[in-house]
Amino acid sequence: DGGITQSPKYLFRKEGQNVTLSCEQNLNHDAMYWYRQDPGQGLRLIYYSQIVNDFQKGDIAEGYSVSREKKESFPLTVTSAQKNPTAFYLCASRPEGLGETQYFGPGTRLLVL
Amino acid sequence: KQEVTQIPAALSVPEGENLVLNCSFTDSAIYNLQWFRQDPGKGLTSLLLIQSSQREQTSGRLNASLDKSSGRSTLYIAASQPGDSATYLCAPGDSSNTGKLIFGQGTTLQVKP
Repeated sequence: DGGITQSPKYLFRKEGQNVTLSCEQNLNHDAMYWYRQDPGQGLRLIYYSQIVNDFQKGDIAEGYSVSREKKESFPLTVTSAQKNPTAFYLCASRPEGLGETQYFGPGTRLLVL
Repeated sequence: KQEVTQIPAALSVPEGENLVLNCSFTDSAIYNLQWFRQDPGKGLTSLLLIQSSQREQTSGRLNASLDKSSGRSTLYIAASQPGDSATYLCAPGDSSNTGKLIFGQGTTLQVKP
């Protein structure tokens, strides 16, 4: 099956801890995106990558880091510098061509202990 | 900076009604506009994608229109069904070559049997 997978489904973070959210796609898409969603709000862009080994900050990048070493993988690390990390995190990918739609994964819910 | 507003924030209708969801955006320099559906605790599913040169797109009981110059889009749902209950998100696409989407807060729809 082709698609986007995110793991884990739920993640718990202790204060001062860095945690990494996984995003994998087997759609052969060039571009990948990370969004954050807070209750009752729309999605906000954290980071995006249009090609391997290159990524750009979105609107709320502070406290987060990413890597893009492989085309199919775009992991997101929530660092201890992110003071309010509790949210629903969504990964998306898009085929080559700006007119194409984005495809979303099932999401990871991050909670702080 | 692009701002997206969706009205109403919530809507409850009896089964069978036709309904319209509204989306407005402040910057008309968009590449395209997408409508997504989100079920509680899930990722997003793309419903319709309208390119900036198009006026509308149709898929089954769904019809989306775009008036780029006035910064408005509507999603029309015909003969609503309980399975249509979800949150609907509007997202204009950035006019740059990044494919970035800016999301509204969504309209939460409940269709009662």
